Amino acid sequence: LAKTTQPISMDSYEGQEVNITCSHNNIATNDYITWYQQFPSQGPRFIIQGYKTKVTNEVASLFIPADRKSSTLSLPRVSLSDTAVYYCLVGVSLDSGNTPLVFGKGTRLSVIA
Amino acid sequence: ETGVTQTPRHLVMGMTNKKSLKCEQHLGHNAMYWYKQSAKKPLELMFVYSLEERVENNSVPSRFSPECPNSSHLFLHLHTLQPEDSALYLCASSPNFGLFYGYTFGSGTRLTVV
Repeated sequence: LAKTTQPISMDSYEGQEVNITCSHNNIATNDYITWYQQFPSQGPRFIIQGYKTKVTNEVASLFIPADRKSSTLSLPRVSLSDTAVYYCLVGVSLDSGNTPLVFGKGTRLSVIA
Repeated sequence: ETGVTQTPRHLVMGMTNKKSLKCEQHLGHNAMYWYKQSAKKPLELMFVYSLEERVENNSVPSRFSPECPNSSHLFLHLHTLQPEDSALYLCASSPNFGLFYGYTFGSGTRLTVV
């Protein structure tokens, strides 16, 4: 399981774009990059996953440079309801994988009105 | 509703009590998990079941006893707990063990040990 490093906390005003960068220098060839979101007193929720370049869905975008040693989760025009902890995880996402999801400390995003 | 239902949502128990947490998933997933989240700490993986077989037990004290009677149900039996066991207990399921996407978590049981 590749070690990841992400900021402990971030603050943002409503309506701004928020970028959370995660470092994963020892990412392996088969590893995927996955982000989860957790609201207070709830379980984490899958947001987005990618392998390389850019992935976009209705919630966020994920930018992955060519060397894949880091990734950036981008949340467009955040609102107060985006206040949560965001977790970056790196590991195998193939059927042959045998590693369960293990979470780090994540990034606590606080959106201010 | 996420498709993973946990009951009860809140539980207060004494240190000599025996109680059980229940988790049920209607997603057709083959793997189920118990996580513990203490205040201001990362999620801790406790137990993993794949196709009803326990595949991982992360050095969890024996006062926590999991049970997976079928692929849709997961229990966590509690007995003689300590106050430091007070936490949010989360159940999750995934299509297959080892995948990083598709984890679906329940809303958790907030446990208080008095």
